[in-house]
Amino acid sequence: SQTIHQWPATLVQPVGSPLSLECTVEGTSNPNLYWYRQAAGRGLQLLFYSVGIGQISSEVPQNLSASRPQDRQFILSSKKLLLSDSGFYLCAWSEGVVYSPLHFGNGTRLTVT
Amino acid sequence: AQSVTQLGSHVSVSEGALVLLRCNYSSSVPPYLFWYVQYPNQGLQLLLKYTSAATLVKGINGFEAEFKKSETSFHLTKPSAHMSDAAEYFCAVSDLGNYQLIWGAGTKLIIKP
Repeated sequence: SQTIHQWPATLVQPVGSPLSLECTVEGTSNPNLYWYRQAAGRGLQLLFYSVGIGQISSEVPQNLSASRPQDRQFILSSKKLLLSDSGFYLCAWSEGVVYSPLHFGNGTRLTVT
Repeated sequence: AQSVTQLGSHVSVSEGALVLLRCNYSSSVPPYLFWYVQYPNQGLQLLLKYTSAATLVKGINGFEAEFKKSETSFHLTKPSAHMSDAAEYFCAVSDLGNYQLIWGAGTKLIIKP
């Protein structure tokens, strides 16, 4: 069966520090991969998605970036965090068909201080 | 562009009462529709999905939803609420053009003892 791992679960970082969140998927190949953010009272915001290695689509201009160095690995990064980057970050995967549901990791709670 | 509207950011019901969470979508073609549940500090979990088969879809934890094309609705119901149903519920529709889901703003379900 497929599983998705996302870490760390919680993170407290100072403003201006770098960020690296990692997500890996097991039990499937060539998944679509997604990074979402939930900020307080703002619902689910799609940040990036990827349909293959090295293929990243950005949905929201910001100081975050994503990379997909391997088929089942998706990394969210920032060179310098802002206070507004605080939130709950969720990684998800789906099969490459339009009716395929998303499967989410357990999320990372990021607090920028 | 497609959109999803969830009526009521918070819904409160008594334990044992009927749960009804509303979702309306805008789409010019029959969509694929999903309901997800999110417990505090966790990722989202798929409850059920509609993919143009039966209009009444049964999901996990006793939930079901009915697709009504004439009303462009996909409301989520459960006959008898349980304390463990307290969570946030999200409705989503598949954007047929690019593998993305269009999300509703979410409804927090509160169960009164």
